[in-house]
Amino acid sequence: IAGITQAPTSQILAAGRRMTLRCTQDMRHNAMYWYRQDLGLGLRLIHYSNTAGTTGKGEVPDGYSVSRANTDDFPLTLASAVPSQTSVYFCASSDGARQDNEQFFGPGTRLTVL
Amino acid sequence: GNSVTQMEGPVTLSEEAFLTINCTYTATGYPSLFWYVQYPGEGLQLLLKATKADDKGSNKGFEATYRKETTSFHLEKGSVQVSDSAVYFCALSEGYSSASKIIFGSGTRLSIRP
Repeated sequence: IAGITQAPTSQILAAGRRMTLRCTQDMRHNAMYWYRQDLGLGLRLIHYSNTAGTTGKGEVPDGYSVSRANTDDFPLTLASAVPSQTSVYFCASSDGARQDNEQFFGPGTRLTVL
Repeated sequence: GNSVTQMEGPVTLSEEAFLTINCTYTATGYPSLFWYVQYPGEGLQLLLKATKADDKGSNKGFEATYRKETTSFHLEKGSVQVSDSAVYFCALSEGYSSASKIIFGSGTRLSIRP
């Protein structure tokens, strides 16, 4: 069982380019999340999805979009990358909407925008 | 709004020393509280959790008690090992819009000397 996989592992991107970070889970979790991790700021929620077909905005959604066409996949797209989007991006999933549900994290994607 | 404050690192200890990492929170209602750990090059994983006042979460020798009167959830371990070197995140979850969103502290880097 892989859990959550993310691709690519790392990427260097020129400013203005479009980029999609991929996230796939095999646990049949209905909720999925995207976070960015920046030094000294912990993790901040970008977008989330309660279930396939629905998405919502988190704390820092500007410049990012997501889709949830099925249960397993939750891609994050940067339409036109900017240097401030240099960060480590983590995808996570959880079994449901209960507040004490554990979130399971992927290994992360390190993105550098030049 | 809800927030989590944890002690800044880095924290450096010798093997077998006693560990405390302080965490306080601000929240409306009755949040669940978590400690997540991030080992080098990996995503976050749940270390322990507590869902109501006076609950004690424990795992791998780590403990934390949910103190509503002091709005705290301090992480403790009686004797740390080199393998405990990691970044530790305090977090809270208070279900909102049917999603179990988690708010993370900024993280505390722990280094254990042999």
